[in-house]
Amino acid sequence: DQQVKQNSPSLSVQEGRISILNCDYTNSMFDYFLWYKKYPAEGPTFLISISSIKDKNEDGRFTVFLNKSAKHLSLHIVPSQPGDSAVYFCAASGRPTGANNLFFGTGTRLTVIP
Amino acid sequence: GAVVSQHPSRVICKSGTSVKIECRSLDFQATTMFWYRQFPKQSLMLMATSNEGSKATYEQGVEKDKFLINHASLTLSTLTVTSAHPEDSSFYICSAIGDLNQPQHFGDGTRLSIL
Repeated sequence: DQQVKQNSPSLSVQEGRISILNCDYTNSMFDYFLWYKKYPAEGPTFLISISSIKDKNEDGRFTVFLNKSAKHLSLHIVPSQPGDSAVYFCAASGRPTGANNLFFGTGTRLTVIP
Repeated sequence: GAVVSQHPSRVICKSGTSVKIECRSLDFQATTMFWYRQFPKQSLMLMATSNEGSKATYEQGVEKDKFLINHASLTLSTLTVTSAHPEDSSFYICSAIGDLNQPQHFGDGTRLSIL
């Protein structure tokens, strides 16, 4: 059973506009959420995270929003750049430490059009 | 930043062969390493967690005698797929952490194809 879901397999956005990637989860015990970015032939690279005690975390062009009641989080990238084109994975964990099992979504392929 | 190296990146071999995949943390000591597997169009699924010097903890449904994990040092963990069969063909990827408060850092993965 997929506990973390990314229902949009792909997203195309014009350069300079906002990219919004969505993620839903089913397990209310998840307390920590991460976004990873993956380029072809490379492993996922950590991008940004958020703890369940927050509803927003911002790092430069990247902002993650968490809506616990809806079990939904989103990643906003603004302004989008062609170099942001990659597959983005949402992940969730039961505790806010690295040493815990991460449950991953299936990924969303973002294409930023110049 | 933290770098994790995984080798080989791709393996093609005959059924019945055992295949070893290495995962190294290059610039930090990895207290814990994780092995994931990803089938096409599915998400990364944790197979096992290993801590240096102790036996790996396997997720439900993962055969420990099939997937041998050794974490002999703070910078190296190996996954050996024993007597591999076509159904073992998948993408295997490792991750590592040095600090419990830091996120997992991933290797580039190994594409295993069993003929």
